[in-house]
Amino acid sequence: NAGVTQTPKFQVLKTGQSMTLQCAQDMNHNSMYWYRQDPGMGLRLIYYSASEGTTDKGEVPNGYNVSRLNKREFSLRLESAAPSQTSVYFCASSEPGQGGGYTFGSGTRLTVV
Amino acid sequence: QKEVEQNSGPLSVPEGAIASLNCTYSDRGSQSFFWYRQYSGKSPELIMFIYSNGDKEDGRFTAQLNKASQYVSLLIRDSQPSDSATYLCAVNPQGSNYKLTFGKGTLLTVNP
Repeated sequence: NAGVTQTPKFQVLKTGQSMTLQCAQDMNHNSMYWYRQDPGMGLRLIYYSASEGTTDKGEVPNGYNVSRLNKREFSLRLESAAPSQTSVYFCASSEPGQGGGYTFGSGTRLTVV
Repeated sequence: QKEVEQNSGPLSVPEGAIASLNCTYSDRGSQSFFWYRQYSGKSPELIMFIYSNGDKEDGRFTAQLNKASQYVSLLIRDSQPSDSATYLCAVNPQGSNYKLTFGKGTLLTVNP
């Protein structure tokens, strides 16, 4: 049982480049989330998806887009990367009916130069 | 802005002692509360969740909730060096539909 799988684990981008972070879960959870974690700032919600076919903005959505491709997959896209987007990105999933606690992926460490 | 506050630490305790981690939250209508453990360079891992006032025990861990005081804590009994990590408190604010708000975490160091 893999849980939540994120790819890639590490990435270096140049300013202005684009990339997509992939996330997939095999726990049949309805809800999926993208957070970023920065030193001194904690975990901040970028986007979330309450169920397949729905997405909504979180606390820090600027510069990002998301796609809930199906129930398993939730991707995060940076259209034009900026140094301020250097961070560790975590995907998570949950099922409110099962307590609502998140299962996190292993994270993507992104550096924008 | 719904906030979750934690002492950043570091909190240092000797092996075998009780470690006490504290968290306060601003949204009085918050429904559920979670404690995560995060080792350096790793992802957060759910330790416990609590919904009702009082204590909830799971092995060496006890979560305590006081909704009137808007306070939740985590006690770790018989602390081990392997408990050294950052502990994140997370809250499900009223109406947020499980979009959790996280505290910045408390770094715990257990000294052998």
